[in-house]
Amino acid sequence: AQKVTQAQTEISVVEKEDVTLDCVYETRDTTYYLFWYKQPPSGELVFLIRRNSFDEQNEISGRYSWNFQKSTSSFNFTITASQVVDSAVYFCALIGGNSGYSTLTFGKGTMLLVSP
Amino acid sequence: EAGVTQFPSHSVIEKGQTVTLRCDPISGHDNLYWYRRVMGKEIKFLLHFVKESKQDESGMPNNRFLAERTGGTYSTLKVQPAELEDSGVYFCASSHFGTIYNEQFFGPGTRLTVL
Repeated sequence: AQKVTQAQTEISVVEKEDVTLDCVYETRDTTYYLFWYKQPPSGELVFLIRRNSFDEQNEISGRYSWNFQKSTSSFNFTITASQVVDSAVYFCALIGGNSGYSTLTFGKGTMLLVSP
Repeated sequence: EAGVTQFPSHSVIEKGQTVTLRCDPISGHDNLYWYRRVMGKEIKFLLHFVKESKQDESGMPNNRFLAERTGGTYSTLKVQPAELEDSGVYFCASSHFGTIYNEQFFGPGTRLTVL
């Protein structure tokens, strides 16, 4: 069975603060992908990043960065200099190769509130 | 190219009524998925179609839920009769068919409220 845990239910920060969203996963699959999605107040799921289990390089995209550590089964997401527009629910997700890469397993999401 | 579309965007019904949600996948995508998020919980897989066939329906909560994909194009998800615990956001996603990973593209979701 696969499991994704986002222990932080809600985080509140003030604009320009840095914030890290935690994600810990469990899987028996040897190959898998990890994802982060953003769900703004409008409701749609916006894809942010995909990471292959064989690629542990950290990635930076503008104010966003991701830290994948296979040794601790974590895939954390950091927003630098947060902005009000970053306010949303963020979901971490996993898809495994043993299941034919068919079913996404999501965490419960972390609601990020960025105040001016 | 149009993305995944879902209709309606919102639906408010009373307990015991029937509701049908519709999903139009990206043209050419054989895989179609339904997911649901109940308030405060994770987004959970409901079922997976490959063309018109149900590949995996292990996530369907009970027999009040019926999904169809006639002709392998759009899909409907009917809830009959609806219960209070069915309230949530229903997401549809589609992807190309294949044995390797193919990205799932999500629709905007249908927010269902059962009163």
